[in-house]
Amino acid sequence: DVKVTQSSRYLVKRTGEKVFLECVQDMDHENMFWYRQDPGLGLRLIYFSYDVKMKEKGDIPEGYSVSREKKERFSLILESASTNQTSMYLCASSLFRSPNYGYTFGSGTRLTVV
Amino acid sequence: GQQVMQIPQYQHVQEGEDFTTYCNSSTTLSNIQWYKQRPGGHPVFLIQLVKSGEVKKQKRLTFQFGEAKKNSSLHITATQTTDVGTYFCAGDSGGSNYKLTFGKGTLLTVNP
Repeated sequence: DVKVTQSSRYLVKRTGEKVFLECVQDMDHENMFWYRQDPGLGLRLIYFSYDVKMKEKGDIPEGYSVSREKKERFSLILESASTNQTSMYLCASSLFRSPNYGYTFGSGTRLTVV
Repeated sequence: GQQVMQIPQYQHVQEGEDFTTYCNSSTTLSNIQWYKQRPGGHPVFLIQLVKSGEVKKQKRLTFQFGEAKKNSSLHITATQTTDVGTYFCAGDSGGSNYKLTFGKGTLLTVNP
């Protein structure tokens, strides 16, 4: 089975800190994604990447950046954490439009910014 | 940009009752996918529909893709407590980037 691993399940950071969320997948997927999930707002796309060193802004990129130096790893960076970035962060990976597979999600990182 | 609307937001049923969630896209889709997220868990891929008018079944779950490829539904027959969770639809509008737009989900609770 494809596995997407997020480095932390729970994280507490202070306002203004630089925060790194790490995501690693083990199935050679081209595409990787970062979403945040908030009650009542569903899943919102922050950034995605379809190849090494490539990145595209999603719907809510403000306050975030990403890094993809290796195919298996996609990092989300909060440059200066703020309380409104308290959320559940989900990483996902996928093949390019495989008919039998969708996105594979990691278990999520619940980030609290205090 | 593309929007995917999903209703209802919440649905509470008695065990054994049927359940349906509906998904509507503002644009024609290349395909639509459905995911289930158990409480405390992460979304898990259920199925993908590609063809206009397509109907697929997985045991008690029936998935439909509309003729115009702008709407979809998930129907669960005779719900069980194991069906509890949030069901998301996600639309792929096609194009060079494979990027899904998720609906906000329908939270299903089942009273035993």
